[in-house]
Amino acid sequence: SYELTQPPSVSVSPGQTARITCSGDALPKQYAYWYQQKPGQAPVLVIYKDSERPSGIPERFSGSSSGTTVTLTISGVQAEDEADYYCQSADSSGTYGEGVFGGGTKLTVL
Amino acid sequence: EVQLVESGGGVVRPGGSLRLSCAASGFTFDDYGMSWVRQAPGKGLEWVSGINWNGGSTGYADSVKGRFTISRDNAKNSLYLQMNSLRAEDTALYHCARVPQYSSSSHWFDPWGQGTLVTVSS
Repeated sequence: SYELTQPPSVSVSPGQTARITCSGDALPKQYAYWYQQKPGQAPVLVIYKDSERPSGIPERFSGSSSGTTVTLTISGVQAEDEADYYCQSADSSGTYGEGVFGGGTKLTVL
Repeated sequence: EVQLVESGGGVVRPGGSLRLSCAASGFTFDDYGMSWVRQAPGKGLEWVSGINWNGGSTGYADSVKGRFTISRDNAKNSLYLQMNSLRAEDTALYHCARVPQYSSSSHWFDPWGQGTLVTVSS
C-alpha cells in the first residue's frame, strides 16, 4: 500500500479559513475522503469523492484536488470545528476493501 | 437512524483470542460491504479488514493477515472479527464501519460505530 501525508497540526483563529492538505502519489487516480474526529467520538465523514459533502455537513466544509494533493477547507472556522481530521483513499493493490489513511491533522481553534 | 454497535472487546494475554461483534440497524445490512478500522491509543486510524455484501470477498491488512478473520451473518445483521494470536501492538479501539459504495479505486467508510476496546497485555 502507499502513504498519505498530512501536516500534524494546523491552527487558525475563529472566523478564519483553515486548509488541511493531504499528499499521496496515487491521489491523481483515486478519490479522497475526509473524516472529522472529536475526542472520545467516532470519526464522521465530512467530504467524499474529493469534494462532495454528505447531508448534514455544514457548507463551510469543502474539498478540492490538484495533482498529488487534496485539500480540506473549512471556511469561517468555529470553535466546534476543533478536532482531528484524517484523509483516506482506496488502495487498488487488489486487497478487497483496503483503505489507506493519512496520519491525521489536529486542528486547533485559537 | 443508521446504527453500528460493537461489542466483545476486553483484556487478553499475548497469544490469546477474542471475537468482536458489530450489530447493525437502520439500514438493509446485506446491501453493503463492511469494514473494521482500529485506532491505537493516541494514534491514527488503521484499516484492518473488509468484507463484501455476501461474504464472498474479504481483505486484510498485512499486519493482521493470517491471524484475523472477518465474517458476517446477514440474517442477524451482524459483522464479526475473530482475532487470534493477539499481540501487544493489536491494542486499540476497534470500529466497525459501513462501506457505502465499493470499487477497487473508490470506497469509504460511513458511518462508524463508537468502537470496542481491545487490550493485549500480560
